[in-house]
Amino acid sequence: DIQVTQSPSSLSASVGDRVTITCRASQDIRNLNWYQHKPGKAPRLLLYGAFALQTGVPSRFSGGGYGTDFTLTIDGLQPEDVATYYCQQFDNLITFGPGTKVDI
Amino acid sequence: QVQLVQSGAEVKKPGSSVKVSCKTSGGTFSSQSIVWVRQAPGQGLEWMGGSIPILTTKHIAQKFQGRVTITANDSTSTAYIELSSLKSEDTAVYYCARVTTVTQPTGYNYFYMDVWGKGTTVIVSS
Repeated sequence: DIQVTQSPSSLSASVGDRVTITCRASQDIRNLNWYQHKPGKAPRLLLYGAFALQTGVPSRFSGGGYGTDFTLTIDGLQPEDVATYYCQQFDNLITFGPGTKVDI
Repeated sequence: QVQLVQSGAEVKKPGSSVKVSCKTSGGTFSSQSIVWVRQAPGQGLEWMGGSIPILTTKHIAQKFQGRVTITANDSTSTAYIELSSLKSEDTAVYYCARVTTVTQPTGYNYFYMDVWGKGTTVIVSS
């Protein structure tokens, strides 16, 4: 099984800040996706294939990385970005990271 | 626009079973592309099982093998997950999600969950 970790587990930042979340897989992967999850709502796909922005997602969200190390960056944090963010691998079945809670 | 409409909340006794449905509306149903994810209170997202494109069989996460059954009714465009031998730890919100495949010019396939149901709350309590 492919294990996925994230760091940090939580962070607090100010409106307008640049925020970066890291995701690490236990082996090289290519199918890495990022989701945003707010309480009481369904998860929302932000990026797939590590860096491809899903339709309708603001351009302040970006992804990068390859192999085992990946990042999600929010460039100019907005109040509506308060949520928990999950990375997820699809190379071998499905595994979610433990999540990163973002607060303002 | 494709929507996944899930069944309503359930309250169950420990040891019983629960069956949650997920109906596709507004688009083409493919039982080969629905997966199930849950979130227990205070916990993260957890994949339970489902059908992943290009794989020939349904897959159940190891943690749930022997307790989860995933079925579908193509005529009603509805997918189901049944969880048996319920425990209090199974109290959670259960989501269905559609898996979409994007094939690159290189032939490599990317998969992602782009449409989600709103979730079904299952409470297990005596």
